[in-house]
Amino acid sequence: DIQMTQSPSSLSASVGDRVTITCRASQSIGRYLNWYQQRPGKAPTLLIHGASNLQSGVPSRFSGGRSGTDFTLTISSLQPEDFATYFCQESYTSVAGTFGQGTRLEIK
Amino acid sequence: QVQLVESGGGLVQPGGSLRLSCAASGFTFSDYYMIWIRQAPGKGLEWVSFISARSTNIYYTDSVKGRFTISRDDVQNSLYLQMNSLRADDTAIYYCARGWSAYTAIDGWGQGTTVTVSS
Repeated sequence: DIQMTQSPSSLSASVGDRVTITCRASQSIGRYLNWYQQRPGKAPTLLIHGASNLQSGVPSRFSGGRSGTDFTLTISSLQPEDFATYFCQESYTSVAGTFGQGTRLEIK
Repeated sequence: QVQLVESGGGLVQPGGSLRLSCAASGFTFSDYYMIWIRQAPGKGLEWVSFISARSTNIYYTDSVKGRFTISRDDVQNSLYLQMNSLRADDTAIYYCARGWSAYTAIDGWGQGTTVTVSS
């Protein structure tokens, strides 16, 4: 099974900060990496698919990158509504591929 | 717009059964893979089961094999999850979700229905 390891598990930042979350796959998954945002008490929503493709309607301050089996989610300038938990997910094995454990982004 | 509305959750005793339903609208349901994903309290996301378009392929995570059954009704635009022999570690929010194909992202989620297994 593919393991997806996110870091950090939690992060404190301020409005306007630039933050980066990393997700590492245990084996090659090409660009089959997706990012989701989950606000408290809500269902997840898709932010980025295929490692770097912004989902329709998602603000351009979100971006995704890839270097080998390391993937990044960057928020260029944090807004109040961005404080949430972020999950990566590989879809190399299937549409229901393994999720990372999540990164909780909190207000400093 | 895409809508996925789950129902059927509740409190059930260990060993009991529940049937979750998901009503879909706003898209061509029959074209999509449909997935059940769960989230235990304070935990991450875990896929439970998914079913391909036209029910060609069905998969279950190991912990629910033999206990849960996924099905879909493409006329009623509905997805189901029959859960038998429920255990305490099945306690979670269960989300209905969709994906365009076998290896794409999950681009639509329901609001979730809560299943609590407790005596």
